Amino acid sequence: GESVGLHLPTLSVQEGDNSIINCAYSNSASDYFIWYKQESGKGPQFIIDIRSNMDKRQGQRVTVLLNKTVKHLSLQIAATQPGDSAVYFCAENNYGQNFVFGPGTRLSVLP
Amino acid sequence: NAGVMQNPRHLVRRRGQEARLRCSPMKGHSHVYWYRQLPEEGLKFMVYLQKENIIDESGMPKERFSAEFPKEGPSILRIQQVVRGDSAAYFCASSPEQGASGEQYFGPGTRLTVT
Repeated sequence: GESVGLHLPTLSVQEGDNSIINCAYSNSASDYFIWYKQESGKGPQFIIDIRSNMDKRQGQRVTVLLNKTVKHLSLQIAATQPGDSAVYFCAENNYGQNFVFGPGTRLSVLP
Repeated sequence: NAGVMQNPRHLVRRRGQEARLRCSPMKGHSHVYWYRQLPEEGLKFMVYLQKENIIDESGMPKERFSAEFPKEGPSILRIQQVVRGDSAAYFCASSPEQGASGEQYFGPGTRLTVT
């Protein structure tokens, strides 16, 4: 069956450093992936997405990398700031079926 | 353009009571999804609806839970005879006409506490 999981449940980084959050997925048929950020007491907020015909996509301070060979997704945050502290979820979608979310990684930014 | 709205934000029910959670999608969105989130866990898909139709309810328990998205008005997630295990945050998301393969926009959630 489908599953989405994360290698690291918690991640602490120094302010100003780069952060890398990883995600493994098992459904090779998934064609669309999203990274969400969830702050305490709020709903998930879209960060960046990528389709399976791409291996890299860049946004403002964020980059998503997709490695279909090993079914791995990563989110890179450049120059991490205190406001980046949150739980980050990856989600996969298979041709319009519902999204499957990973368990989440908590990112803590240290001063 | 208002985002996805959910109400109430917090709901307390005693065991055996009914809980009704409402979700108003973004303007122009006709696809609604409901998710459940336990503390320190990820979101679990429950049900996917379009106007007046349930498209996928594979994640919703067969008993006590129901969902609707009428032609007019918000989507409703209804939990009958609530039990302590129903305590969780329930999130609604919506997406535009082009369907479930695009970005979903989430509401702020309803935190249900069953006492």
